[in-house]
Amino acid sequence: QKEVEQDPGPLSVPEGAIVSLNCTYSNSAFQYFMWYRQYSRKGPELLMYTYSSGNKEDGRFTAQVDKSSKYISLFIRDSQPSDSATYLCAIRDNYGQNFVFGPGTRLSVLP
Amino acid sequence: DSGVTQTPKHLITATGQRVTLRCSPRSGDLSVYWYQQSLDQGLQFLIQYYNGEERAKGNILERFSAQQFPDLHSELNLSSLELGDSALYFCASSVDGENTEAFFGQGTRLTVV
Repeated sequence: QKEVEQDPGPLSVPEGAIVSLNCTYSNSAFQYFMWYRQYSRKGPELLMYTYSSGNKEDGRFTAQVDKSSKYISLFIRDSQPSDSATYLCAIRDNYGQNFVFGPGTRLSVLP
Repeated sequence: DSGVTQTPKHLITATGQRVTLRCSPRSGDLSVYWYQQSLDQGLQFLIQYYNGEERAKGNILERFSAQQFPDLHSELNLSSLELGDSALYFCASSVDGENTEAFFGQGTRLTVV
């Protein structure tokens, strides 16, 4: 079993839709959770960072963490064509070791 | 702009050659990470340095090596290059090595011909 698994996509939605992106992880030592957005062949851009179960909101983005289920989600409200990118979840354990990235979900928001 | 600077942006070289990729972390960040991303592949962790010392090692080939200098910039050295080494190489930095988020540079695109 991979340490971090992510919905493979690709995902296509109409402009204005609510998007749900999901990751699961296997190791309960993971304590810090991040979502990155990566435009084609560019560096990943940090969107959200959280370390507790529950929801964290930033504008149109909401990160949700359920440690008991080892499940994290990113919700995008009122999706825009500019949100079209690959979304990567990343997880870090409590001992400060490297980040483990999911394989990414490619999202296309159609005008 | 994440504040992480990578040079060069593009590099084309022949098989068997050696190249050096450079990374300047964000001001104040002590930890540097190197990742490889092949075409349509995920980010593969290579190595992490914290304040000049190797902190963690991932799937880094023996032909590859890295170091972090006293001014905290880092270099990734790739030698005896093969066609399969063609990829995007990303550097990321974080304030410390434990519980903070990481910020990525724009990457170096390496093409081995």
